[in-house]
Amino acid sequence: AQSVTQLDSHVSVSEGTPVLLRCNYSSSYSPSLFWYVQHPNKGLQLLLKYTSAATLVKGINGFEAEFKKSETSFHLTKPSAHMSDAAEYFCVVSDLAGGFKTIFGAGTRLFVKA
Amino acid sequence: DAGVTQSPTHLIKTRGQQVTLRCSPKSGHDTVSWYQQALGQGPQFIFQYYEEEERQRGNFPDRFSGHQFPNYSSELNVNALLLGDSALYLCASSLRGFNEKLFFGSGTQLSVL
Repeated sequence: AQSVTQLDSHVSVSEGTPVLLRCNYSSSYSPSLFWYVQHPNKGLQLLLKYTSAATLVKGINGFEAEFKKSETSFHLTKPSAHMSDAAEYFCVVSDLAGGFKTIFGAGTRLFVKA
Repeated sequence: DAGVTQSPTHLIKTRGQQVTLRCSPKSGHDTVSWYQQALGQGPQFIFQYYEEEERQRGNFPDRFSGHQFPNYSSELNVNALLLGDSALYLCASSLRGFNEKLFFGSGTQLSVL
């Protein structure tokens, strides 16, 4: 069965430093993988999507993620954090075996210090 | 172009009551999915509607039911409310649904007392 594990419940970085949010997935088939962001009192917004094209996926607001099949990972990175990046981030997996149900991770709360 | 709209934004019910939540998808979208997000957790997939039929369902009891109308809007019904049903209910729309980008509404916050 498909599943997704976000390895950190909280990540704290200083403004201007790199961001790394870790995600491991389990999937029987070639999965589609997503990262969504949820700002306080706002709806979920798609950051980026991987669907078996390039393994390095670029998203909005300077975020990118790399699909590593051998490690079953899909970590989210950003070279330089901004205060506005403070939010909850969700890694999501979807595949044929799961009927393309979207399975969300538990989330990682990103704190950005001035 | 209106995005996904949900109503009401907040709702308070008591145990045993029934509730109906509503969702209008983004213009041009034909698929609606519903999620339950408990405090501090990720959204849990409830079900997805396409062409007025339930296409996929998560691990939720039959107390949770839904409907999609010809204009693609959707309702989520929950019967015999339990305290544990207190959560943020999110609606997401997409085009044809499979592996497509989801557009989320801001949700309905349901409190069961």
